[in-house]
Order: sequence, then structure tokens, then C-alpha cells
Amino acid sequence: AQSVSQHNHHVILSEAASLELGCNYSYGGTVNLFWYVQYPGQHLQLLLKYFSGDPLVKGIKGFEAEFIKSKFSFNLRKPSVQWSDTAEYFCAVNGGGTNFGNEKLTFGTGTRLTIIP
Amino acid sequence: GAGVSQTPSNKVTEKGKYVELRCDPISGHTALYWYRQSLGQGPEFLIYFQGTGAADDSGLPNDRFFAVRPEGSVSTLKIQRTERGDSAMYLCASSATPGEKLFFGSGTQLSVL
Repeated sequence: AQSVSQHNHHVILSEAASLELGCNYSYGGTVNLFWYVQYPGQHLQLLLKYFSGDPLVKGIKGFEAEFIKSKFSFNLRKPSVQWSDTAEYFCAVNGGGTNFGNEKLTFGTGTRLTIIP
Repeated sequence: GAGVSQTPSNKVTEKGKYVELRCDPISGHTALYWYRQSLGQGPEFLIYFQGTGAADDSGLPNDRFFAVRPEGSVSTLKIQRTERGDSAMYLCASSATPGEKLFFGSGTQLSVL
């Protein structure tokens, strides 16, 4: 069964600091990888996704993530965070390629990010 | 509509009662998902519809949980004989292409007393 681990439960940073949130997955096959974000009082929304090709993926609001297949990782990064980045971040995985029947997403437990002005 | 709509936003019920939670997906989205999120956890998959049929219901915890999507649009999650452990945020999402970008609703917070 597929699983996702997010080891950082709560991260506190000052504005302008650099960010890296860890995500490791377990899945026996081709994968699609996602980061979703939930801002306070809002619904979950897609931040970025990796399906294939360039393992460095750029998303909205200056975020990026790098797929490292050998490490089963898909860490999220941002060079300089802002107070508005305060949110909960979820890594997720599903079966990619032609693995029909693997459309369901498996989410990690999430990382709460607090940015101090 | 503009986004995925879920009603009610909050539901308080008593142990043993029956509840229905409604999801109205984005118009034209064929794939619809139900997730459950407990406090401090990530969303947990319950069931996925492609059109009217349940393509994957492997996440439903037991036979008290059932979901339908009779016309391939609106879906209803039904929980019989509710238990206190069913208390959680129930999230619905839809996508234009199965397995790709999911659009989530704001959820229904279910509290079983």
C-alpha cells in the first residue's frame, strides 16, 4: 500500500527565511506527486504537481519541489518565505503513468507552517 | 458552479442517528472523491466516482458508510448508525481528469455526540 511521510509536524520561521519541507513516499511503481496547501479558513488547493519530465517542479507563489526518485522524496522549497505563507502543507501521491485504478490520492499528515513577521 | 460546494458546512448529530452529506462538484467534472480528515491528520481516502459508478470504494471504513452519485453530478455520502469516532471533517473533491488536479470543497464538519 502506498504511504506518505511528512516528518516536520510544525515549522516556525521568520519572514525571508528559506523553507524546505520534507516528503517521503512509499509506492511500488510510477508515481504522480503533489503538494496541496490549506490557508487558514480556506479549502485545500493545489500548490504544484509532478507527473513526469523535469524533476524540479515550479508551482504558484514561488514554491518549487524536487522529485528524487532514488530517495523516494519530493521536498517542497521556497527561498524566501512571507507571512502569507502561513498554512498547512500536505504532500500526496497516486499511481502515475497508465496505472488506471490508482487515481486516489494518499496524503501525508501535513506540516503546519507558521511565519513570524 | 464556481467551485465544489458541500452542504451542510456543519452537522451535529447524536450517536446512532443517520446523516447525509452532500457534494456538488464543479460542472463537467466526471471524477468525484470523498475524503475524511481527522484533527491533526491528512485527508484519508473514502471513495472515488467516475461518472455514476464507484470506481474505488476501498477506503470506506465499514458497511455503515455508503455513497451515491445517481446522475453523475451531485453525490451524497450516507452514514448509518453514527458513532462518536465518525466525527471528522468530510471533504469532497472533483477533477476533470481522474488522478490529476483535485478541486476541494470547504468540507462538512460532522460532530457525533
